[in-house]
Parts: sequence; C-alpha cells; structure tokens
Amino acid sequence: AQSVTQLGSHVSVSEGALVLLRCNYSSSVPPYLFWYVQYPNQGLQLLLKYTSAATLVKGINGFEAEFKKSETSFHLTKPSAHMSDAAEYFCAVSVPGRGSYIPTFGRGTSLIVHP
Amino acid sequence: DAGITQSPRHKVTETGTPVTLRCHQTENHRYMYWYRQDPGHGLRLIHYSYGVKDTDKGEVSDGYSVSRSKTEDFLLTLESATSSQTSVYFCAISEEVDQPQHFGDGTRLSIL
Repeated sequence: AQSVTQLGSHVSVSEGALVLLRCNYSSSVPPYLFWYVQYPNQGLQLLLKYTSAATLVKGINGFEAEFKKSETSFHLTKPSAHMSDAAEYFCAVSVPGRGSYIPTFGRGTSLIVHP
Repeated sequence: DAGITQSPRHKVTETGTPVTLRCHQTENHRYMYWYRQDPGHGLRLIHYSYGVKDTDKGEVSDGYSVSRSKTEDFLLTLESATSSQTSVYFCAISEEVDQPQHFGDGTRLSIL
C-alpha cells in the first residue's frame, strides 16, 4: 500500500528566506509524485509532478522538488519566499495496483511567510 | 483553468436529511473524484468514477453514494446526513488516472 507523510503541519519563514517543505512516501514500486498548492477558499492547483523522467522537477512560481529514491523523499523547495506563497501545500503519491494510480494525499503543510 | 463547477458552494442542513452535491465538468475528462477535506486529515477520497456508470469506493465511502449518468456530471449523495459529515467537499477530474487532477473550488457543508 502507498502512503505519504508530510513532516510539519506548519512551516514559518521570513520573506526572502529558503522554503523547504518535506514529503516522504512509502511505495513498493516506482511512484508518481505530485505537489499541489491550495490558497484560501480555493481548490488545489498542481505545482509540479514527478514521473521518473528527471529527478529534479521544476514547477510553477519558482518551486522545484527533487526525487531521492534512497531517502524515499520528494521535498519541495523555493530559494526565496514571497508573501504570496503563503498557502497550504499537499504532497501526493500515485502507484499502480488495486485502485491503480489513484493518488493518496498527505495531510498538508501550511506555509506562513513573515514580512 | 479546467472547467469544473461545484454546486452548491455552501449548504447548511439538518441531521437525517438527504443531501446531494453536484460536480459538473466541461473538459470531457474520463476520471472524476470526490474528496472531503478536514483539519488534520488532509484530503480523503470518498468515491471516484472512471466512466459513465463506472464508480468505485475510496477510503471514506461509508454513508456516501455516487452516480455518474453522463460524462460531465458526478453526483455525491449523503442519504441521511450526520454531523460527522460536516466538511469541505472537493470534486476533481483527470484525463487519465495517472495524470494530475484539476480541482473545483469546493462545497462547504454544515450539518447541524
């Protein structure tokens, strides 16, 4: 069975500082991995997707994530935080099997950006 | 943006009443999903559909039923609403199951 763990329900950074949101997954087969962002009172929007083409994936709004098989991780980073990055971020894992590829979502990390 | 419309956007109802939420898409995507979002739980899958009249259960399907009689519409029904079903409900669509999902703006449901 697949699972995903997001470390830290809240992450607080200063504007201009590095953003690091952690995601670890559990899967017995190579997974697809996703990061989504949710702004208040909106649905989720795709930030980026890993599908085994390249381990470093670049997404929208300056975010990127690196797939590390040995660490079963897919952490999301951004070099310099903006106030507009304040939102809820969700990691999701998708693997083949029963309910093939239906993704499982993490519990989310709320990013707080201080001026 | 993907054309997904959820209705209603807000609803308040009483315990024991039936409730139906509607998700309408204009993208002709094959897959449609219903999730509920609760603090501390993230998104949990209720049911999903992989075609007209083809549906399957998710991890929190008890107390919910779905129907998909047309490609563009996916209905979620609470046959007899309970207070534990107070939540924000999201519909999502995807072209194929391994493709990214596109989400609606959610329905905030309160059951008193």
